[in-house]
Amino acid sequence: AQTVTQSQPEMSVQEAETVTLSCTYDTSESNYYLFWYKQPPSRQMILVIRQEAYKQQNATENRFSVNFQKAAKSFSLKISDSQLGDTAMYFCAFTSRDDKIIFGKGTRLHILP
Amino acid sequence: GAVVSQHPSWVICKSGTSVKIECRSLDFQATTMFWYRQFPKQSLMLMATSNEGSKATYEQGVEKDKFLINHASLTLSTLTVTSAHPEDSSFYICSARNGADGNQPQHFGDGTRLSIL
Repeated sequence: AQTVTQSQPEMSVQEAETVTLSCTYDTSESNYYLFWYKQPPSRQMILVIRQEAYKQQNATENRFSVNFQKAAKSFSLKISDSQLGDTAMYFCAFTSRDDKIIFGKGTRLHILP
Repeated sequence: GAVVSQHPSWVICKSGTSVKIECRSLDFQATTMFWYRQFPKQSLMLMATSNEGSKATYEQGVEKDKFLINHASLTLSTLTVTSAHPEDSSFYICSARNGADGNQPQHFGDGTRLSIL
């Protein structure tokens, strides 16, 4: 069975600091995709960043980057120069051939002024 | 692009009534849509996969007679909560993918907050 584990239920950092959210997953698939979604208080699901498993290069989107370690099945999200608007629930997610998205339990991130 | 519209955003109704939630892909065609349920401070739980022109595929433990899914066109899927009861109160979210390539991410609707009195 495919699983996604986020070991940090909640985190708080000061504005402008860098924060890393952890995610590990388990799968027997060789080709899959990984995502980080952000869910602010409005509860809208917003795609932050995505990574194809066959690509070794870590994905980057402005202040957001990932550290993808395929052998370790690890997919952490780094947020640089954190902003108040980054306060949200962050979900790590996995999908493979059947298109189903498996979500982790989420990490609630608080950016403190 | 890739906008998914979900309606209504909030509904309150009496126990025993049926409630229909619509999920529309506004600027793309979606052969597959997904329905999720989210309890407060928890993750999204996949309820079913909605396939255009065929029966939905339900996840284990989800009552298909309770949660009716219809995917009549490439841009619309509906979820009907039949004979709703207070325990059905939750946040329901749909998603759709633009294209057949698994590389394309799923795009989510804004969700529907369902409250059964």
